[in-house]
Amino acid sequence: NAGVTQTPKFRILKIGQSMTLQCTQDMNHNYMYWYRQDPGMGLKLIYYSVGAGITDKGEVPNGYNVSRSTTEDFPLRLELAAPSQTSVYFCASSYGQPGVGPQHFGDGTRLSIL
Amino acid sequence: GESVGLHLPTLSVQEGDNSIINCAYSNSASDYFIWYKQESGKGPQFIIDIRSNMDKRQGQRVTVLLNKTVKHLSLQIAATQPGDSAVYFCAENSPNFGNEKLTFGTGTRLTIIP
Repeated sequence: NAGVTQTPKFRILKIGQSMTLQCTQDMNHNYMYWYRQDPGMGLKLIYYSVGAGITDKGEVPNGYNVSRSTTEDFPLRLELAAPSQTSVYFCASSYGQPGVGPQHFGDGTRLSIL
Repeated sequence: GESVGLHLPTLSVQEGDNSIINCAYSNSASDYFIWYKQESGKGPQFIIDIRSNMDKRQGQRVTVLLNKTVKHLSLQIAATQPGDSAVYFCAENSPNFGNEKLTFGTGTRLTIIP
């Protein structure tokens, strides 16, 4: 059981480039989330999805887009990379909404924008 | 600011001793709390959770205590081992008319001294 898998693990982008961070889960969870983690800060929610075809903004959605065409996959897209988007990105999933049970995380994508 | 915070950003404990990591929360309506462990280069790993209708919950070598009167959460780790060295986060879920989300603390770094 792989859980939540994120690719790539590391990436360096130039300002203005675009990329997609991949996330897939094999637990048949309806809820999926994208967070960013900056040094000394708690995880910040970027986007989340309550099921295939449904997505919504979190606290810090600007500069990002998501889609959810299947239960398993929840990719995060950066269209015009900016230095402020240098961070570690974590994808998570849960069986139900946040108050029902824990979220399970992938091992992250470390992204640097130069 | 953060509604979930930690009293101590770093904690060093002798191997074999017990450790206590503390967390304060500000929303008295929060109904669900989670502790995560994050090792270097990894994603947050679920340790234990507790609901607001409980004061204490035990797992394998870990105990979470919830004091709703003073809005305080603690994680006790018994007989610490080198593998317990990590950053520990608490998170709270605040009911919000079906639009719930977890709020994460900034973390405490626990170092086990051999």
